[in-house]
Amino acid sequence: EIVMTQSPATLSVSPGERATLSCRASQSVSSNLAWYQQKPGQAPRLLIYGASTRATGIPARFSGSGSGTEFTLTISSLQSEDFAVYYCQHYYNWPYTFGQGTKLQIK
Amino acid sequence: QVQLVESGGGVVQPGTSLRLSCAASGFTFSTYAVHWVRQAPGKGLEWVALISYDGSNKYYADSVKGRFTISRDNSKNTLYLQMNSLRAEDTAVYYCARDRFRYSYGDAFDIWGQGTMVTVSS
Repeated sequence: EIVMTQSPATLSVSPGERATLSCRASQSVSSNLAWYQQKPGQAPRLLIYGASTRATGIPARFSGSGSGTEFTLTISSLQSEDFAVYYCQHYYNWPYTFGQGTKLQIK
Repeated sequence: QVQLVESGGGVVQPGTSLRLSCAASGFTFSTYAVHWVRQAPGKGLEWVALISYDGSNKYYADSVKGRFTISRDNSKNTLYLQMNSLRAEDTAVYYCARDRFRYSYGDAFDIWGQGTMVTVSS
């Protein structure tokens, strides 16, 4: 099983600033990596797939990069609605696994 | 609009069974693989099971293999999860989610339901 490790666990950033979230895989997942956003009481929402492709309707301030074992989600200028928990997930092989999440909170 | 709606959750005792349903609308359900994903209270996401668009392929997490069965009825646009021998550690919100690929699987989950809560407790 591939283990996905996200860092940091919690990130405090001011609105308008840039946020950088990291995700590491225990072995290569190529570009089979997705990022999801989850707000309290809501289902996850797909942000990024293929490590760097924004899903439909996702603002351009969200960007993903990386391949192999190291991945990054960058939010260029934080809006109030961006404060949430973010999960990475690989879909390289079975079982698909998620990272433990990064909570992005207002500084 | 495109949506998935789960139902069937509830409070059950350990060792008993429960069947979850996920009703799809707004898209051609029979052309997409679908997954079950769960989230224990205050915890992260755990992939549970996948069924291919035609039901011919099924995959399970080790934690549920042999106890849970995923199935679908494309004539009813509905996905199911039969959960047997339930344990306290199965307590979670269960989400159904659509695989982004059509006529295949192995991609991100682009549509999610709102979830249904399953509580296993004596």
